Amino acid sequence: NAGVTQTPKFQVLKTGQSMTLQCAQDMNHEYMSWYRQDPGMGLRLIHYSVGAGITDQGEVPNGYNVSRSTTEDFPLRLLSAAPSQTSVYFCASSYAGVAYEQYFGPGTRLTVT
Amino acid sequence: GENVEQHPSTLSVQEGDSAVIKCTYSDSASNYFPWYKQELGKRPQLIIDIRSNVGEKKDQRIAVTLNKTAKHFSLHITETQPEDSAVYFCAALGGRGGGNKLTFGTGTQLKVEL
Repeated sequence: NAGVTQTPKFQVLKTGQSMTLQCAQDMNHEYMSWYRQDPGMGLRLIHYSVGAGITDQGEVPNGYNVSRSTTEDFPLRLLSAAPSQTSVYFCASSYAGVAYEQYFGPGTRLTVT
Repeated sequence: GENVEQHPSTLSVQEGDSAVIKCTYSDSASNYFPWYKQELGKRPQLIIDIRSNVGEKKDQRIAVTLNKTAKHFSLHITETQPEDSAVYFCAALGGRGGGNKLTFGTGTQLKVEL
């Protein structure tokens, strides 16, 4: 199993550009989530999904969209990038429809200039 | 929503000593409390967790205790080793209105000195 994978590993965007961060898992996990990690602020939940076709907002959802068309994939879309979205983004998944024992992906480091 | 506070933000211990990291949470309905370890440049990894129906859980040199009345939980690492140096995050799941959202503390940088 590859576990949780994320692409790209690094990305630089200009203000106003849009992009999609990819996340995939091959463990048949129902729960998937996106976090952003900023220095001194821990991990903050952006959006999450408890199964295909179901998504919900986390703590900091503004400026981000998600969809969950399959169990395996949970892409995160930045609609119009802003410097405040410069961060490290982690995708995570867990076997049940709840956030128990989450496995994290390797992360995407995003810089918005 | 849930609020998780974590202390201390940095902790330095001598190799072989014990380390304790403490977290408090705000919502008494929270029911799951994991601890994650994150080495520099790596992803967070779950090291131990505890559910609200248990007061203590141990796994080799690592233990977690939970006090539901006081709404705090702690990570205990005994016989620390240099490879324990990392950032540790506590988190709380659930609570009223946030049943499937994990809220993290701000992290503790643990340094184990030789």
